[in-house]
Amino acid sequence: GAGVSQTPSNKVTEKGKYVELRCDPISGHTALYWYRQSLGQGPEFLIYFQGTGAADDSGLPNDRFFAVRPEGSVSTLKIQRTERGDSAVYLCASSSTGTGGLTDTQYFGPGTRLTVL
Amino acid sequence: AQSVTQLDSQVPVFEEAPVELRCNYSSSVSVYLFWYVQYPNQGLQLLLKYLSGSTLVKGINGFEAEFNKSQTSFHLRKPSVHISDTAEYFCAVSLTGRRALTFGSGTRLQVQP
Repeated sequence: GAGVSQTPSNKVTEKGKYVELRCDPISGHTALYWYRQSLGQGPEFLIYFQGTGAADDSGLPNDRFFAVRPEGSVSTLKIQRTERGDSAVYLCASSSTGTGGLTDTQYFGPGTRLTVL
Repeated sequence: AQSVTQLDSQVPVFEEAPVELRCNYSSSVSVYLFWYVQYPNQGLQLLLKYLSGSTLVKGINGFEAEFNKSQTSFHLRKPSVHISDTAEYFCAVSLTGRRALTFGSGTRLQVQP
């Protein structure tokens, strides 16, 4: 596709439920990132994939959060036993790993707005 | 750990006036610096980035930023703003050797006619 896409755009769930958020990166991008943006704040890093493996998951807040990228393209962020504090916009980004390496531009998707009631 | 401070949560300005959005960072190691813009109902878009070399960086839409190592600042400027520049602007840093971006809390630029 032309850009990073995320589905659903909005998700409303009840406290304690399980949710999955999906990210489709730009075709050919090997690096994929998840961020979380709470109201009035800047995005907060969660996890970064290089190919199929999580290269940096230092931003995951606790073990209720898990992400996978089994084929090195689409990624799913999974949240178990959701809490009201998980309400936020979840952003996905992707980048290539060309000659820029660590400085390759991260391209962001429009986000999924998660509301936990 | 690194952090980013954007002191101004909102900056109102008249059309065609100059604007400066302030960003300060703290880090004990070298960093890369970025400015992103978020238009209403759109994803974050990179405006410009500083990696090394010249401290004055030019970006898209007429924006530029200057890296000042002694003041640990990376302020964003535009000499003449347009209504279409109304958006949320985020400053971000990444440690050399890491891909994760640390963002500031954002500055809402409101351009008035």
